[in-house]
Amino acid sequence: GAGVSQSPSNKVTEKGKDVELRCDPISGHTALYWYRQSLGQGLEFLIYFQGNSAPDKSGLPSDRFSAERTGGSVSTLTIQRTQQEDSAVYLCASSLKAMNTEAFFGQGTRLTVV
Amino acid sequence: QQQVKQSPQSLIVQKGGISIINCAYENTAFDYFPWYQQFPGKGPALLIAIRPDVSEKKEGRFTISFNKSAKQFSLHIMDSQPGDSATYFCAASLQGYALNFGKGTSLLVTP
Repeated sequence: GAGVSQSPSNKVTEKGKDVELRCDPISGHTALYWYRQSLGQGLEFLIYFQGNSAPDKSGLPSDRFSAERTGGSVSTLTIQRTQQEDSAVYLCASSLKAMNTEAFFGQGTRLTVV
Repeated sequence: QQQVKQSPQSLIVQKGGISIINCAYENTAFDYFPWYQQFPGKGPALLIAIRPDVSEKKEGRFTISFNKSAKQFSLHIMDSQPGDSATYFCAASLQGYALNFGKGTSLLVTP
């Protein structure tokens, strides 16, 4: 595709349920990042992939959060046993190599936990 | 700990004026400093970026000024236009790893 694609664009889930968020990066981009954007809090780094491996998982807020990337392309962020504080916009970005080249963001998935 | 501090939180500028947003960072090893622009409902988009070996970079109406000794950098938007109304984020990274973002500045340019 022409840009980074994220799905779904909106997700409402009940507290305690698991959710999966999907990111399709730009074709050929080896680096992929997940960020979380809460109101007034800027962008919080979650995890970084280079190819299929995740050299930096330092931002995952708890063990309820996990992510994988397959085939050096699509990535899935999974949140288990969702809590209300997980409500945020989850953004995915990709770049050709690493973050000090231009990174392209998707439009995000707005997650609401009720 | 917030590694990049951004100010002001919000800014109102008249059309034609200069918008100035400031950022300060902690880690002297950071080697890449981009600014992102975000419109409501959209993901952030790269506006302009600088590396610490230069003190200023200009692209059209947008200029980054970088002060390595003070660990500060700023974005200047000349001749601000209503279409520039958006949220602006500064960021910093080290050797291509994760960007550390400021908390953002909401800019409103009035007609």
